[in-house]
Amino acid sequence: SQKIEQNSEALNIQEGKTATLTCNYTNYSPAYLQWYRQDPGRGPVFLLLIRENEKEKRKERLKVTFDTTLKQSLFHITASQPADSATYPCALDVNTGFQKLVFGTGTRLLVSP
Amino acid sequence: NAGVTQTPKFQVLKTGQSMTLQCAQDMNHEYMSWYRQDPGMGLRLIHYSVGAGITDQGEVPNGYNVSRSTTEDFPLRLLSAAPSQTSVYFCASSKEGLADNEQFFGPGTRLTVL
Repeated sequence: SQKIEQNSEALNIQEGKTATLTCNYTNYSPAYLQWYRQDPGRGPVFLLLIRENEKEKRKERLKVTFDTTLKQSLFHITASQPADSATYPCALDVNTGFQKLVFGTGTRLLVSP
Repeated sequence: NAGVTQTPKFQVLKTGQSMTLQCAQDMNHEYMSWYRQDPGMGLRLIHYSVGAGITDQGEVPNGYNVSRSTTEDFPLRLLSAAPSQTSVYFCASSKEGLADNEQFFGPGTRLTVL
């Protein structure tokens, strides 16, 4: 069956450290993978998109990798801050035409001062 | 720009009642979609629209109807609410609905069906 797996346990790290979140998928062949941020009681906010032919993408303190062989994406936040505390879902596009995103459950990140 | 707006923010319904969740965007986006979010699950696509007059089903369409008469608006209708439809509903839009477009989400509607 098709699955997207993100760690359901919260990730606790100290301020200043690098947070690494994982998105694994099975039985999908996405051409694109997106990462979002969601705060409690609010809608998701788009962060980064990576294409299947891109190994790595960066935006300020954020870095995403995409390994289509391992069927895995890693999301890194460097120099983490308490304001980075949120849930981070990944999403795959599973349609060959118009966009149809399938979301993971997200991993909750807690950055302590 | 207000972005994507949704009304109401909260709603309580009794089983069998009908209602419409409103969604509007002011970014002239062609693609709009509805998701539901349940505890312990990722967002699931209910219906989507690639332009005015064009809609299609997502992963969990049963019990919901949509229409798209204008570019700006994409209402979601529950014809006969059931407790299984208790959820948080998010509307989203993107420029063209292509796979590499980012989606802009609204603030959500929290619906409880008793």
